Amino acid sequence: NAGVTQTPKFQVLKTGQSMTLQCAQDMNHEYMSWYRQDPGMGLRLIHYSVGAGITDQGEVPNGYNVSRSTTEDFPLRLLSAAPSQTSVYFCASSYSRTSGRIYEQYFGPGTRLTVT
Amino acid sequence: GNSVTQMEGPVTLSEEAFLTINCTYTATGYPSLFWYVQYPGEGLQLLLKATKADDKGSNKGFEATYRKETTSFHLEKGSVQVSDSAVYFCALRWTDSWGKLQFGAGTQVVVTP
Repeated sequence: NAGVTQTPKFQVLKTGQSMTLQCAQDMNHEYMSWYRQDPGMGLRLIHYSVGAGITDQGEVPNGYNVSRSTTEDFPLRLLSAAPSQTSVYFCASSYSRTSGRIYEQYFGPGTRLTVT
Repeated sequence: GNSVTQMEGPVTLSEEAFLTINCTYTATGYPSLFWYVQYPGEGLQLLLKATKADDKGSNKGFEATYRKETTSFHLEKGSVQVSDSAVYFCALRWTDSWGKLQFGAGTQVVVTP
């Protein structure tokens, strides 16, 4: 298994540009999420999905869109990039809670995004 | 609202020293508690977890005990190595929260030879 993969690793955008950060997992996990990591603030949840066709907002969703057309993929779209979106973005996945267990979340290696 | 508070870093210590990273939380109810580690240039990895009061999580020489009375989950290691240099995140998660994690700010640990 490749686990959770993210592309690209690095990206520089100009203000107003749009782009999509890719995330894929090959573990058949139902739950996927996007976090951003900023200095002194830990990781904050942007959007999450509990299965194909189902998404919901996290703590900081403004300026980002997501969709989940397949179990494997969960892309994050920046519609009009702003300097405040300069951050490191992590995708994570895990099994759902359907059995009542607490499953480990697996994180991708991250995408470092700079908006100028 | 819920929150996770960690001691600020960086924490710098010599090899074989004792490491403690404090973590406290405010929350209603009884969340599950986690420590994640992030090595330079990598994503986060689960280090250990505890799902109920008085549980002790342990892994790679690290330990943390879920203390309900003090709402704490302090991370400890008796003898650190240079390879333990990383950023450590405390996090909490509700059983019915579909996996949503709430993180502390992270504590950078630097271990020198």
